[in-house]
Amino acid sequence: AQSVTQLDSQVPVFEEAPVELRCNYSSSVSVYLFWYVQYPNQGLQLLLKYLSGSTLVKGINGFEAEFNKSQTSFHLRKPSVHISDTAEYFCAVSDLSFGNEKLTFGTGTRLTIIP
Amino acid sequence: GAGVSQSPRYKVAKRGQDVALRCDPISGHVSLFWYQQALGQGPEFLTYFQNEAQLDKSGLPSDRFFAERPEGSVSTLKIQRTQQEDSAVYLCASSPPASLYGYTFGSGTRLTVV
Repeated sequence: AQSVTQLDSQVPVFEEAPVELRCNYSSSVSVYLFWYVQYPNQGLQLLLKYLSGSTLVKGINGFEAEFNKSQTSFHLRKPSVHISDTAEYFCAVSDLSFGNEKLTFGTGTRLTIIP
Repeated sequence: GAGVSQSPRYKVAKRGQDVALRCDPISGHVSLFWYQQALGQGPEFLTYFQNEAQLDKSGLPSDRFFAERPEGSVSTLKIQRTQQEDSAVYLCASSPPASLYGYTFGSGTRLTVV
């Protein structure tokens, strides 16, 4: 079985400051990793995904994440946040072991940007 | 359509009622997924379709939950004899063929059981 741990349920950050949202996973097989963002009353939007290749993945809205296999982590970073980044962020993992692309999500991190 | 459409947007049901939640995927998307998102939690997988075939229903929490996609397009998630613990946002996502994890999520249906 696979699981995802997002250690921080809430992260307040001042506008234009850097941010890191932490994600650790556990799985017995090779995995694919994802970060999604959810704005209030909306569905999930993909920020970035790691499928293979370079461990540094760049996504939309200036976000990036680094896959670290030895530490089983996939932390999300942004060098300078904006008010519009206020949202819930979900890390997810998948391994195709069930023959389909179902995702296992973490419990989410609420990012609040302070003006 | 331009995106995945879910209806109704909000549903209030009395405990014991049956409900039906609809998902219109993006045209041409063969894969369709249903997820359940309880308040303050991440989405949890319910079931997966490839065209009209339901290939994985391991996440359905009980036999009160039933999903179908008879013509390989629109899907309906039905919950019989709703209970308070069924209150959640139900998310649908679709994905095109030959696309690895090319999910597009709908905005969800918020079900409240009173």
